[in-house]
Amino acid sequence: EIVLTQSPGTLSLSPGERATLSCRASQSVSSSYLAWYQQKPGQAPRLLIYGASSRATGIPDRFSGSGSGTDFTLTISRLEPEDFAVYYCQQYGSSPPVQTERYTFGQGTKLEIK
Amino acid sequence: QVQLQESGPGLVKPSETLSLTCTVSGGSISSYYWSWIRQPAGKGLEWIGRIYTSGSTNYNPSLKSRVTMSVDTSKNQFSLKLSSVTAADTAVYYCARDRAYSSGSLDYWGQGTLVTVSS
Repeated sequence: EIVLTQSPGTLSLSPGERATLSCRASQSVSSSYLAWYQQKPGQAPRLLIYGASSRATGIPDRFSGSGSGTDFTLTISRLEPEDFAVYYCQQYGSSPPVQTERYTFGQGTKLEIK
Repeated sequence: QVQLQESGPGLVKPSETLSLTCTVSGGSISSYYWSWIRQPAGKGLEWIGRIYTSGSTNYNPSLKSRVTMSVDTSKNQFSLKLSSVTAADTAVYYCARDRAYSSGSLDYWGQGTLVTVSS
């Protein structure tokens, strides 16, 4: 099973600052199948980025994704008050020992107001 | 705009079967994959499995022995059954549209429903 490790666990920043969130995979992941989600308290996750770097419909251009192989990054260029939330990375694919296609998620990064 | 809504009992007794339904509106359920995901309170997301409108399924190996999914295209609904539940199955359960083969992601989500396993 591919394990996704997100860092940092918590990121404390102020509105207007730049946020850089990391997602590292235990083995190489296809960029086509790497996504990022935002989740606010009491709400469902919202798709932000798919294919490692493509913004989902309606997502502001201050959100960008990059990376390949085992290292991926979500960047928020200038934080708005509504951006403070938990962010999850996700990959889709199959891996040993059981070659079943599945989704796996990182443990999340909490972006909090400093 | 596609919308999803989970429904089902909010309380299930240990050893019994959890049953949830997801109703899709604003678009057809046909020709898509549909997934279930769960999230225990204060924890991360766990993918449970998916179903195609043909009835083909993929389940998370960690839950496979207890999971059954079905689809009813006439009602634009798909369902989840999780058997032999324990307290560890207490979580918010989400349904989502699954775009694995086009974008590798889950693009529309229901609001989630809390299921508590307790006697």
